[in-house]
Amino acid sequence: QSALTQPASVSGSPGQSITISCTGSSSDVGGYKYVSWYQQHPGKAPKLMIYDVSNRPSGVSNRFSGSKSGNTASLTISGLQAEDEADYYCSSYRTSSPYAIFGGGTKLTVL
Amino acid sequence: EVQLVESGGGLVQPGGSLRLSCAASGFTFSNYWMSWVRQAPGRGLEWVANMKQDGSEKFYVGSVKGRFTISRDNAKNSLYLQMNSLRAEDTAIYYCARSLSMFIYYFDSWGQGTLVTVSS
Repeated sequence: QSALTQPASVSGSPGQSITISCTGSSSDVGGYKYVSWYQQHPGKAPKLMIYDVSNRPSGVSNRFSGSKSGNTASLTISGLQAEDEADYYCSSYRTSSPYAIFGGGTKLTVL
Repeated sequence: EVQLVESGGGLVQPGGSLRLSCAASGFTFSNYWMSWVRQAPGRGLEWVANMKQDGSEKFYVGSVKGRFTISRDNAKNSLYLQMNSLRAEDTAIYYCARSLSMFIYYFDSWGQGTLVTVSS
């Protein structure tokens, strides 16, 4: 099974906004609202940042937002901060195994 | 505070077996679906398996079906992954993850992971 497609890296300066894309197919991203995003700092466990395409769990900064258009989901981080530097993974539900499929990850560098 | 603590990882030869454990605390373990998610060194995340609250349903990614078995003991607040016929491509950090109540494929709490290395 192919992973969802994410850019390998993105970068931005403090205070700027960046967007990370996540492209799948009509069998996953495009077919369901079940898209999520995870943040992972080096050597740490992933942290859920967005679920249901655009919802934030309690405690996640409103600088993080999600959206979807067709087969592509996006994560936008506004007002970049140094602490945002991490790897970001998108994930989507699909009806056949594996039922949760992840993107390859995007390394965000805050310049 | 929700805590998930994995153990049982290590170095094993190809074809060997390992049993991973995940000790849960800080929440009512028996109320949640639980999953194992792995991450090969320097690679992305891969969902491996999950299990319903009462153990009546379980699902696996195709690459481990027939080799790995997920189980749980709600009395001990523990999740397990029995891994047999291990291959080099199973080398990864294995995370125990709790599912959100609203949808079982969102993972809102993760352990620190346990490293499994399959090598001769």
